[in-house]
Amino acid sequence: EAGVAQSPRYKIIEKRQSVAFWCNPISGHATLYWYQQILGQGPKLLIQFQNNGVVDDSQLPKDRFSAERLKGVDSTLKIQPAKLEDSAVYLCASSFGGRVGGNTGELFFGEGSRLTVL
Amino acid sequence: AQKITQTQPGMFVQEKEAVTLDCTYDTSDPSYGLFWYKQPSSGEMIFLIYQGSYDQQNATEGRYSLNFQKARKSANLVISASQLGDSAMYFCAMSAPAGGFKTIFGAGTRLFVKA
Repeated sequence: EAGVAQSPRYKIIEKRQSVAFWCNPISGHATLYWYQQILGQGPKLLIQFQNNGVVDDSQLPKDRFSAERLKGVDSTLKIQPAKLEDSAVYLCASSFGGRVGGNTGELFFGEGSRLTVL
Repeated sequence: AQKITQTQPGMFVQEKEAVTLDCTYDTSDPSYGLFWYKQPSSGEMIFLIYQGSYDQQNATEGRYSLNFQKARKSANLVISASQLGDSAMYFCAMSAPAGGFKTIFGAGTRLFVKA
């Protein structure tokens, strides 16, 4: 079974530029998450999708961040314009969504996209 | 509101000894799940163990066990017979139906295993 795919793995941009990250979840996973993990901290949820609908985006800085999950499969997270404090690893995760059919609801993570803003 | 608290920024353990990583949580939802994830220096997040709020017994997975004390709202991870490869960041996490099964994470504990 293929895991969660993310790209690019690394990105370096200057402040005020834009960047986009892509995520392809595990086939059949209804729920997709984007987390921001700043060095030395725990992952912070930015947005959660259930199929192609947004479940929670309360911590997404909507003036500069946007995300979409068209057709309920892969997703794109965009930052425009980037700030220095956006330097972080952006983790995508997917799950079946809830504890159904014996699933625990555990998250399956991609390798992450490391963003450096200069 | 849901919250996860990990109060140990760093822990040291001697190889082959057991270690306990602390986690407390807060939620008003009677149904919830508790998770532990491991993040080695390479960066990938690895699921370790799960405990449901209605589970009667503490969860175990190989050398990992979860000491679940519901009344105290604690879900400590116990690693037995520590190995050098256990050196990593460990995150406690929780999800609940009330939050749309949103999974939130604690700040993490960095474990160092000494030879």
